[in-house]
Amino acid sequence: GENVEQHPSTLSVQEGDSAVIKCTYSDSASNYFPWYKQELGKGPQLIIDIRSNVGEKKDQRIAVTLNKTAKHFSLHITETQPEDSAVYFCAALVAEYGNKLVFGAGTILRVKS
Amino acid sequence: DGGITQSPKYLFRKEGQNVTLSCEQNLNHDAMYWYRQDPGQGLRLIYYSQIVNDFQKGDIAEGYSVSREKKESFPLTVTSAQKNPTAFYLCASSVTPGLTGSEQFFGPGTRLTVL
Repeated sequence: GENVEQHPSTLSVQEGDSAVIKCTYSDSASNYFPWYKQELGKGPQLIIDIRSNVGEKKDQRIAVTLNKTAKHFSLHITETQPEDSAVYFCAALVAEYGNKLVFGAGTILRVKS
Repeated sequence: DGGITQSPKYLFRKEGQNVTLSCEQNLNHDAMYWYRQDPGQGLRLIYYSQIVNDFQKGDIAEGYSVSREKKESFPLTVTSAQKNPTAFYLCASSVTPGLTGSEQFFGPGTRLTVL
């Protein structure tokens, strides 16, 4: 089955700097890669996703890149703000197996002002 | 407002008792999911249902049971057979994904503590 590894587990950046979180996956059939943001005591919320037919996607300060050959994908947050502080999860999905997401272990992002 | 609701937000249970967590959605989604979240770990799939009256085990189904009698509702029962039930439980839903995957929308979660 699919296995997703996420690094780093914690990340501290200065406000205004960029943050990068990386994930690797094992199943080459995976074709959907969402990123979720979870604030303390709340459910995760989708912030950006990418499908396997696209190499990069951007939404304002957030971007995701996908390298299918190397089987890794990354989240990039530019001009970080204190409200970006949260736990971020990557996930991968093999659609043929049903809409079952396999999640990474999460990254705690702290943006220091 | 459309969305997913979970109740209660906090739940305390004595050892040996079964407890049922509620999950309701008004998004008209076909698929629903239950995840367990432990500190320092990602979300792990307990059960999922892609259509009414049908559900499948996820990666950690032992000690849990579900039902899907209505499209809007997917309750999770944590039984006394679950050895370590203290965790944060998250319910999610999505449209029928087809072959390309689709966004899962999460509820606010229920924190279960076994005393």
